[in-house]
Amino acid sequence: GAVVSQHPSWVICKSGTSVKIECRSLDFQATTMFWYRQFPKQSLMLMATSNEGSKATYEQGVEKDKFLINHASLTLSTLTVTSAHPEDSSFYICSANRGESRGEETQYFGPGTRLLVL
Amino acid sequence: AQKITQTQPGMFVQEKEAVTLDCTYDTSDPSYGLFWYKQPSSGEMIFLIYQGSYDQQNATEGRYSLNFQKARKSANLVISASQLGDSAMYFCAMREDNFNKFYFGSGTKLNVKP
Repeated sequence: GAVVSQHPSWVICKSGTSVKIECRSLDFQATTMFWYRQFPKQSLMLMATSNEGSKATYEQGVEKDKFLINHASLTLSTLTVTSAHPEDSSFYICSANRGESRGEETQYFGPGTRLLVL
Repeated sequence: AQKITQTQPGMFVQEKEAVTLDCTYDTSDPSYGLFWYKQPSSGEMIFLIYQGSYDQQNATEGRYSLNFQKARKSANLVISASQLGDSAMYFCAMREDNFNKFYFGSGTKLNVKP
């Protein structure tokens, strides 16, 4: 199956700092990647859709200036949590579609990044 | 309205027995896909099984099968011969073909007892 990686897997930072999380598709090109946030014992909440070569599409209620997304290539999308605060502490997980043709709509997920803001 | 509903927050099953995890969905898009993912305590999301809205037969992948009842808009996951390693959170998801994003249910925590 497709492989999606995320880096780092764990981040502990001080309040007010910015944190960058990378999401890479390792064996396929992904024109679209997705960023989710998951609080303990809850479901995944879609934050934004990252489109290669264009601006990300943010879900309602997600601050685009707070969560900067860059999709610079077909295999890399980055999420930057700017001026992080303790309430930003969460599990961030990315995913990518292998392709748009039928049978390839499955989203493959990265292993996730646990962010703890002190 | 909820796109995906999972009504079982937690389930217990005896090892080697079968278990059904419920999922209902809501969409007006005639073309969509239904997915099940497993999330162990490590946090990774593991793809289990896919069912397309136009597929005539229920999807099967090893010990996993999807009981697709289109008229009822349900897509229950059946795990046969449960193993201790099946203990995890299970999420049902839907992708509407008109929109390139997934909707996830609230999840079901499955505990397999020895």
